[in-house]
Amino acid sequence: EIVLTQSPATLSLSPGERATLSCRASQSVRSYLGWYQQKPGQAPRLLIYGASNRATGIPGRFSGSGSGTDFTLTISSLEPEDFAVYYCQQRSNWPQITFGQGTRLEIK
Amino acid sequence: QVQLVESGGGVVQPGRSLRLSCAASGFAFSRYPIHWVRQAPGKGLEWVTVIANDGKDKHYADSVKGRFTISRDNSKNTLFLQMNSLRTEDTAVYYCARDLKIAAADYYFDSWGQGTLVTVSS
Repeated sequence: EIVLTQSPATLSLSPGERATLSCRASQSVRSYLGWYQQKPGQAPRLLIYGASNRATGIPGRFSGSGSGTDFTLTISSLEPEDFAVYYCQQRSNWPQITFGQGTRLEIK
Repeated sequence: QVQLVESGGGVVQPGRSLRLSCAASGFAFSRYPIHWVRQAPGKGLEWVTVIANDGKDKHYADSVKGRFTISRDNSKNTLFLQMNSLRTEDTAVYYCARDLKIAAADYYFDSWGQGTLVTVSS
């Protein structure tokens, strides 16, 4: 099983600041990595797939980068609605799909 | 717009069975692979199973293999999850989720239902 480790567990920032979230895989997943946002009481929302492709309707302030084992989700300037939990997910060795444990982005 | 609505959750004793449904609308259901993803209370996400658009190919997580069965009725735009021999560790919100791509599963999930809670407890 490919283990995804997200860091930090919690990130405290203010609106307007830049957020950088990390996801590290236990072995290479090439570029087969996605990012999801989940707000309390809601289903997750796909933000990024294929490491760097924004999903339909996702604002340009969200960007993804990386390949192999190290990936980053960047939010260039935080909006109030961006404070949520973020999960990375690999599909490299489907169907054994795995998610990271999540990063909580909270308002400072 | 794309809509997925799960139903069938509830409280069930360990060892018993439950059947979940997911009603789809707003898109060509028969063209997309569909997944079930679950989330234990206060925990992260766990992929459970996927079914091909035509229903012929299915895959399962090791944690549910042999106990859960996914199926679909494309004439009724509905997905099912038959859960047998339930365990306390199966307690979770179960989401149905559409695959990002048509036909061949890409294993990214671009539309989700609101989820249905399954609680396995004696």
